[in-house]
Order: sequence, then structure tokens, then C-alpha cells
Amino acid sequence: QKEVEQNSGPLSVPEGAIASLNCTYSDRGSQSFFWYRQYSGKSPELIMSIYSNGDKEDGRFTAQLNKASQYVSLLIRDSQPSDSATYLCAVKDPGGGNKLTFGTGTQLKVEL
Amino acid sequence: GAVVSQHPSWVICKSGTSVKIECRSLDFQATTMFWYRQFPKQSLMLMATSNEGSKATYEQGVEKDKFLINHASLTLSTLTVTSAHPEDSSFYICSARGASSEQYFGPGTRLTVT
Repeated sequence: QKEVEQNSGPLSVPEGAIASLNCTYSDRGSQSFFWYRQYSGKSPELIMSIYSNGDKEDGRFTAQLNKASQYVSLLIRDSQPSDSATYLCAVKDPGGGNKLTFGTGTQLKVEL
Repeated sequence: GAVVSQHPSWVICKSGTSVKIECRSLDFQATTMFWYRQFPKQSLMLMATSNEGSKATYEQGVEKDKFLINHASLTLSTLTVTSAHPEDSSFYICSARGASSEQYFGPGTRLTVT
């Protein structure tokens, strides 16, 4: 059973701070990782994809991947109240079929 | 780019009737589309994978005769919930994948069965 684990939160950070969201996965063969943002009542929105070890930056978002530790994280710099949402970590099934396994998500609250 | 639409955005139907949900990729060709269901405060549950021109692959526990999926073209997949019951009330979301590994989600369809 492939698993993707996230702390459900809520994670509360003050406006302007860095929010750090973490995710671990069980299948060592996984190669493709994604972060989605989901506002309440809405569908997920792709924020970042990462495939190689290290950091990948896009605006205020940085994804970090460590395949040896089976760990992927998302950093949000200068957090804004509009960043308040649930962040879903997704891992692509390495066995083919292009399926994603989602974590249960971490709820982020950015407070004024 | 990578826009996926769904129709309808919400629907209320009576128990025993069928409901069809459409998923379209608007600006790219989707070789694969996925159908998910999400209950309140839970994560996404993959129901089935749909490849254009072939039969859908259903996840364990999902009744293929109840949730009919058709992927007739590279831009359109449909999910029909047959003989809907109140326990089928949920948020149904499709996603589409083009040439890359990334999946893009539609806005979802909220189904309420009375």
C-alpha cells in the first residue's frame, strides 16, 4: 500500500512569515512529486512539481525533495492571508498508469 | 494554459435517477483523464483512470456498472452516476494529463442526491 503522509494541521503562521509544509512517502521508487493548493469547496490547483533532489523555486514557493529520506516539502515565503488553504502533497505511482497518490493535506492558516 | 472545465458545477437529483458529468480539456489534448471523489474534510479518492478510446480502469471498490465512464475524444470524458442514491452525494472532480506528468483539475461538480 503506497502511502503519502502529511500532518493535517492546522498550521498557523503570521502574515509575512515562512510556512513550511512537509510530506513523506513510502514508495522508494517514486520519481515525480506535486504540491496542490485547495481552497475550501474548490478543486485542487497545481502549485509546483518537482522531480530531482534539491530545491525548485517559483515565486514565493520553494519545493524541496530528498529522495534518500523520502521527503518532500513546500516552503511559502512572505505568507499572505490568501495562502490560507489546504495543501495536498501528491506522488506519482512509479509503476505506470500516471496515477497520483494524495496525502490527506495540511491546513494552513495565515493570520493577520 | 492547461485549463480543464467541468459541467455542471452542481446538480441536485432524485434518488434512482442518473446524472452525467462532463470533463473537458480546453487548451490541450488529454491522453488520460482521472475521476476523483471527495467527501467533506477528506482527501481525494481516485475512482477511475480513463484513456481515450479504451475502457476505463476502476479502482478497487468502485462499481464500474454504477459509475460509467466514457472518454470518446482527447478533450472530453464523461462520468455517469447511474441510479444515484443519497450516499453518492459528493464532490466529483476530474483531472486531465497531457504530454507531461502533471495533472490539472477541473473545478468539480457537487452532486446532491435527495
